[in-house]
Amino acid sequence: EPEVTQTPSHQVTQMGQEVILRCVPISNHLYFYWYRQILGQKVEFLVSFYNNEISEKSEIFDDQFSVERPDGSNFTLKIRSTKLEDSAMYFCASSERGDRGRDYGYTFGSGTRLTVV
Amino acid sequence: QKEVEQDPGPLSVPEGAIVSLNCTYSNSAFQYFMWYRQYSRKGPELLMYTYSSGNKEDGRFTAQVDKSSKYISLFIRDSQPSDSATYLCAMSVAGNQFYFGTGTSLTVIP
Repeated sequence: EPEVTQTPSHQVTQMGQEVILRCVPISNHLYFYWYRQILGQKVEFLVSFYNNEISEKSEIFDDQFSVERPDGSNFTLKIRSTKLEDSAMYFCASSERGDRGRDYGYTFGSGTRLTVV
Repeated sequence: QKEVEQDPGPLSVPEGAIVSLNCTYSNSAFQYFMWYRQYSRKGPELLMYTYSSGNKEDGRFTAQVDKSSKYISLFIRDSQPSDSATYLCAMSVAGNQFYFGTGTSLTVIP
């Protein structure tokens, strides 16, 4: 079954450092997303990406965050200057839009656990 | 942000029991409703998807949406120990940005 692959599975970084989280979405999917889940809290939407541009973003996704699809397979999330409160599980997801008669929903990756110290 | 409310549990049931999981929401514009299952240290896995109101059944799982009450449910029949996980409801207005509940932790005891 097709998977969304995320690397690394765990990253520890010092406060103020830049991090890049990587994702390989399912190959025929067209829509890509980043979500995060702070320990014990809800899964929160960060950003959606379609046709090489951001289609929607949340208040969390401020100027410190950026996304990129540098080639035909990878989708990255960059945090320029990490803060302690950025520590969370970051999930990448992809989807293939369908009509009402088809299953609709994301396929999530297993996540990258980011720890900022 | 209290768009979606979900009782976090934990919920513990004996094997074979019927499990009922629920979420309420405040945004009447939500049209897409989903249930995800999340095992420890894994990403959410889509279980059920429903568009607008109604019921949907898939094996041991039944999803119900009552838009008039802003209430959705997931029923698991003949629960198995392998069903032990956290169950997340999620919903969306236009199918792009999804709002998740906090998740309900379920343990099925053999």
